[in-house]
Amino acid sequence: GENVEQHPSTLSVQEGDSAVIKCTYSDSASNYFPWYKQELGKRPQLIIDIRSNVGEKKDQRIAVTLNKTAKHFSLHITETQPEDSAVYFCALMGRDDKIIFGKGTRLHILP
Amino acid sequence: EPEVTQTPSHQVTQMGQEVILRCVPISNHLYFYWYRQILGQKVEFLVSFYNNEISEKSEIFDDQFSVERPDGSNFTLKIRSTKLEDSAMYFCASSAYAGGLNQPQHFGDGTRLSIL
Repeated sequence: GENVEQHPSTLSVQEGDSAVIKCTYSDSASNYFPWYKQELGKRPQLIIDIRSNVGEKKDQRIAVTLNKTAKHFSLHITETQPEDSAVYFCALMGRDDKIIFGKGTRLHILP
Repeated sequence: EPEVTQTPSHQVTQMGQEVILRCVPISNHLYFYWYRQILGQKVEFLVSFYNNEISEKSEIFDDQFSVERPDGSNFTLKIRSTKLEDSAMYFCASSAYAGGLNQPQHFGDGTRLSIL
């Protein structure tokens, strides 16, 4: 069935360093992979997405890579800042347009 | 930037009571969704809705749940007889397109439902 595995569950990074979050999936029919950032008590906020016709997409300090053959995709945050602290969810769009979320990565940016 | 709005932000209800959660999707969006997030866990799909009918529902969305678009702007989730395990954050989302077009879904701020 449709499933997304995400790791690590927790990640602590020194301010200014890079953070990488990785996800794998099982359904080869998946073609859309959004990433959401969720601050405590707030909505999941779409921060970047990638479609299967590209291998990499970048938006300022955030980049996402996709390897369709290996069925994995990753989020890269460079030059991390305190406001990057949050829970990050990888996701994919499954059949019938439902979004399947990973379990989340709690990112801590250390001063 | 247009947003999905949800009311109330927090709902406290006695077990066994009915509850209605309300959402106003982004105005030109046609596809609507409800998701649930139990505290500390991942976001889970409940139901999708298009053209006044359910498109897809998960196994969580049992007979106690229903959705409705009572007018041109609101989209509601009703739980008929709440259980303790219904306590969660409920998010409404909407998108302009669906049907395999892989369009982003935009989430509201959620309603925190607490069942006592």
